Amino acid sequence: DAKTTQPPSMDCAEGRAANLPCNHSTISGNEYVYWYRQIHSQGPQYIIHGLKNNETNEMASLIITEDRKSSTLILPHATLRDTAVYYCIAADTGTASKLTFGTGTRLQVTL
Amino acid sequence: DAGITQSPRHKVTETGTPVTLRCHQTENHRYMYWYRQDPGHGLRLIHYSYGVKDTDKGEVSDGYSVSRSKTEDFLLTLESATSSQTSVYFCAINSNRGSYEQYFGPGTRLTVT
Repeated sequence: DAKTTQPPSMDCAEGRAANLPCNHSTISGNEYVYWYRQIHSQGPQYIIHGLKNNETNEMASLIITEDRKSSTLILPHATLRDTAVYYCIAADTGTASKLTFGTGTRLQVTL
Repeated sequence: DAGITQSPRHKVTETGTPVTLRCHQTENHRYMYWYRQDPGHGLRLIHYSYGVKDTDKGEVSDGYSVSRSKTEDFLLTLESATSSQTSVYFCAINSNRGSYEQYFGPGTRLTVT
């Protein structure tokens, strides 16, 4: 699986958009980009995934650059409950059974 | 909520004792996983299963064994617990939708004294 690089921490004001970047410059053509988050000590929560097209669901949007070497997770209107560690993972569906979690980005949403 | 439960949720045990953690799912998912998470680290895969009686090792499998005798249950056993196995253990399943996202249980906090 391709290695991903994320900033260790970010802050965001409540109500504003949170834009979380991820670099995956060695991603291969059949690898998806997955995003998960972990709130405090709970189990990680799946957010969204994509291959090359931008994706949107009820939780977030995922923007993948045309060369697929980086992506951005967007939480359009961050709330205090979005404070969490966010993990970006690159994996193909064959090895999606072996997700490799890094240390992620700790997002702090403040009033 | 993918219908995943873990038991026990908390356990304190002594070094050298055997410990079994249970993961139970109710939605007939084929793939199940055990991860551990230590302070300041992301999750690390211990073992996974791709069907009844079909299991394989992850990156940190030493000191752990698993069993899956029925679809809904995946057991993680520490044959002789050590203090280095103090951790939070998460079970996960793969979705059945072909996109392979994983859904996680609430975790088991294990302390080995």
